[in-house]
Amino acid sequence: AQKVTQAQTEISVVEKEDVTLDCVYETRDTTYYLFWYKQPPSGELVFLIRRNSFDEQNEISGRYSWNFQKSTSSFNFTITASQVVDSAVYFCALSEGFSGGYNKLIFGAGTRLAVHP
Amino acid sequence: KAGVTQTPRYLIKTRGQQVTLSCSPISGHRSVSWYQQTPGQGLQFLFEYFSETQRNKGNFPGRFSGRQFSNSRSEMNVSTLELGDSALYLCASSNGQGFAAGTDTQYFGPGTRLTVL
Repeated sequence: AQKVTQAQTEISVVEKEDVTLDCVYETRDTTYYLFWYKQPPSGELVFLIRRNSFDEQNEISGRYSWNFQKSTSSFNFTITASQVVDSAVYFCALSEGFSGGYNKLIFGAGTRLAVHP
Repeated sequence: KAGVTQTPRYLIKTRGQQVTLSCSPISGHRSVSWYQQTPGQGLQFLFEYFSETQRNKGNFPGRFSGRQFSNSRSEMNVSTLELGDSALYLCASSNGQGFAAGTDTQYFGPGTRLTVL
């Protein structure tokens, strides 16, 4: 069955520390898509990145980077030199190419990140 | 482009009543998905609409229904409200043109927070 696990419920860091948020997924589909979303206190889910199962290239965007490893079914997210504005709940999500049907995102439980000055 | 809008932002209802929530997608997007977010169950997929047709449905009782209009705006309805329906209801839009299920990137609105007393 499809599943997304974010084992870290809460992480607390001091500003400028690097932090990695873990995400492990399960799916039987060979075609699937992985996402990270950020949810600030306002509640809206903000899209950060999408990766498809064919592309294991790591990606860097400013202070954000993502490490996708099919061998371990992981899609981890690293924030370098964290800032207070990074404080939010971060969700990893899976969308399956066939089994899940159209536009069904399966979310992990989320990791609450608190960055302290 | 304007983002996804949801109205109302907050609602308070009593058990047994029904409620209708509205979602306007990003201009040009034809797919609208709905999610329920609760502290206990996390983010769960309700259903997805594309061109006024429901293409996908999650595991929710029949009290939860939706529809989509020709301008892609969508509404979801919950009848006979229960205390457990208290949640943040998030709407997401995507262009719906993905060549296979699950390929779209979904962009979320700010949500409607429903409280059932």
